[in-house]
Amino acid sequence: QVQLQESGPGLVKPSQTLSLTCTVSGGTIRTDGYYWSWIRQHPGKGLEWIGFISHRGSTYYNPSLQGRATISVDTSENRFSLNLNSVTAADTAVYYCARDHYFDNTGYDAFDIWGQGTTVTVSS
Amino acid sequence: DTQMTQSPSSLSASVGDRVTISCRASQTVNAYVNWYQQKPGKAPKLLIYAATSLLSGVPSRFSGSGSGTDFTLTISSLQPEDFATYYCQQSFSSPRTFGQGTKVEIK
Repeated sequence: QVQLQESGPGLVKPSQTLSLTCTVSGGTIRTDGYYWSWIRQHPGKGLEWIGFISHRGSTYYNPSLQGRATISVDTSENRFSLNLNSVTAADTAVYYCARDHYFDNTGYDAFDIWGQGTTVTVSS
Repeated sequence: DTQMTQSPSSLSASVGDRVTISCRASQTVNAYVNWYQQKPGKAPKLLIYAATSLLSGVPSRFSGSGSGTDFTLTISSLQPEDFATYYCQQSFSSPRTFGQGTKVEIK
């Protein structure tokens, strides 16, 4: 049973870099057919997809973050990470990591496994 | 970006009721729509992918329909554990986008 667990500081100062790690257990990150995503949820709001990475290092980011996000993967440690720079109070949110599963050869994909989420507050 | 608009934003229903939630995409997404359930303080849980495919282990009272721009999630007989917020999401194009959510409350 694959599980994801987020870790990182819960408090970040404005203008600094938010850094989070998602550790994958119960399975290997080095599997074709999956992308590894970061998604956030502002307090009391909906879900915003930040971006994803493949185990080979291919990435795609949400343009709404204006180039501030970087996602990296460490296959030897079976984890992937998010760096979000120049944070402001608007980046205060619950951050989730999730597995983006491409179902067989259908071309359809969905976020089928999620971490429990970690709350990050941006404040001085 | 493809905008996903859900209706209603909230609804009140009783146990046993049939509940329908709608989701409209701002442009065609074929059948690339997924549905999630989220309970307070918890991560979202995938229910349906590819508009109509029920994820293994999800109760059969949940079903999805639609293609193109209009999609529906139906709960055939609402159970106490179904009171939650439901989100649609498109995976046709990047950036992936979600609807704003529909909160299902107890009547």
